[in-house]
Amino acid sequence: QKEVEQNSGPLSVPEGAIASLNCTYSDRGSQSFFWYRQYSGKSPELIMSIYSNGDKEDGRFTAQLNKASQYVSLLIRDSQPSDSATYLCAVENTDKLIFGTGTRLQVFP
Amino acid sequence: GAVVSQHPSWVICKSGTSVKIECRSLDFQATTMFWYRQFPKQSLMLMATSNEGSKATYEQGVEKDKFLINHASLTLSTLTVTSAHPEDSSFYICSARDSRSGWGYTFGSGTRLTVV
Repeated sequence: QKEVEQNSGPLSVPEGAIASLNCTYSDRGSQSFFWYRQYSGKSPELIMSIYSNGDKEDGRFTAQLNKASQYVSLLIRDSQPSDSATYLCAVENTDKLIFGTGTRLQVFP
Repeated sequence: GAVVSQHPSWVICKSGTSVKIECRSLDFQATTMFWYRQFPKQSLMLMATSNEGSKATYEQGVEKDKFLINHASLTLSTLTVTSAHPEDSSFYICSARDSRSGWGYTFGSGTRLTVV
C-alpha cells in the first residue's frame, strides 16, 4: 500500500465551479499535511498546510482533514483556468515529506 | 519569507561525466535539506535527507555512491550525480527546512538534468 494516495485525474471542471481534490494516507501517526501546486516544469509551491481535524480556509482554498479516516482534501472555489496544474498532497512522516502521485486539475473556460 | 536557491536550473552533460547541483537557503539556516527526483508525469520521490555536518540518509533503492550529498554548512547542500547515464535524466528538486519555525519546507526551483 502506498503511503500517500491520490487519484491521478485529470479532474476537469468548468470555470467558476468548485474543484474537490482528495488524498488518503496510510500512517495513522502522521500529524502534518500539506497541499502543493505544481505547474509543468516547475517546482511545487505550498498552497496550504493543516494539522488539526476540521476545515482550514485561505481565500478560495479550503483544506479538510479527518485523521480518523486518514483523509485530507482540498477544495478550490471559483476555479480559474490559472488553477490548472497538478496538485500534490504531502504528509509529514518521521520529519520528512512524503508526496502522493498528484492529481491533475484542468479548469476549462 | 524563506527562500531556497537551486543551481543550475538546467544542465546537459555527456554520459559518464559528473554533475553537481547546489541548494542554498538564502535567509535562514537549514539544519535539514532534502533531495527529490521527479520523472515526467510522476510525483516527487525522496532520494535522501541531509543534515548539516553529518552523512546523508538515503532512501531505499537510491545508490549512495552514485548520488553524493554534502551538507557542509547550514546554508548549502550539494548533490553530485556521478558517472551520469541517460536514465539519470530527471528533474531534481531540493527542499530545506527552516530550523527556526521547525515546520516549513521550502523548495528550490529545481534542476532539469539531461544526460546525452
